[in-house]
Amino acid sequence: DTAVSQTPKYLVTQMGNDKSIKCEQNLGHDTMYWYKQDSKKFLKIMFSYNNKELIINETVPNRFSPKSPDKAHLNLHINSLELGDSAVYFCASSQGIKATEAFFGQGTRLTVV
Amino acid sequence: AQSVTQPDIHITVSEGASLELRCNYSYGATPYLFWYVQSPGQGLQLLLKYFSGDTLVQGIKGFEAEFKRSQSSFNLRKPSVHWSDAAEYFCAVGAINTDKLIFGTGTRLQVFP
Repeated sequence: DTAVSQTPKYLVTQMGNDKSIKCEQNLGHDTMYWYKQDSKKFLKIMFSYNNKELIINETVPNRFSPKSPDKAHLNLHINSLELGDSAVYFCASSQGIKATEAFFGQGTRLTVV
Repeated sequence: AQSVTQPDIHITVSEGASLELRCNYSYGATPYLFWYVQSPGQGLQLLLKYFSGDTLVQGIKGFEAEFKRSQSSFNLRKPSVHWSDAAEYFCAVGAINTDKLIFGTGTRLQVFP
């Protein structure tokens, strides 16, 4: 069973569109994250949620809106997509709100054309 | 501010040779330190972590890392590299007062037969 799963794995879309990426974890963790990996492989946190509450929002444009319907899910919705949003987006989860071991999903490669 | 530096962008080694990947961090207190590996098209997998105690930590796949507070380093080592170790390696530091990981820019490891 996949611990942290993201869908879709690949997403190609046009500028201006709205898209969502879904994430689910079956590890029983209470904290979930979205990280963005740019074209130079640099990884940076975007959001974290603990028990469905937003903990971290790292100055991400408000076109990005995470939604956590329950502890096991953290979806990422992106409005009005721009070329610069092209990246690989990783979902992750961990137990607790201290920086403990995070388990990552396989990533979603988003390409905006 | 916390930061992580991986001085080597790309390293090439022969199969069977030893390996050391460098990582330096900047942090105001004792950090939580991690090494993750990202195989092509895959998510990040935790190799090992350091929270406290013994400064030499063992990880999966035969990797180890040593925490040296005086040098602010957490270098990753493996005595004999296998072709399957070819991947991108990321060092990360955990910010204790929050739950985010701060990643280095990664080191790409290439292994020649």
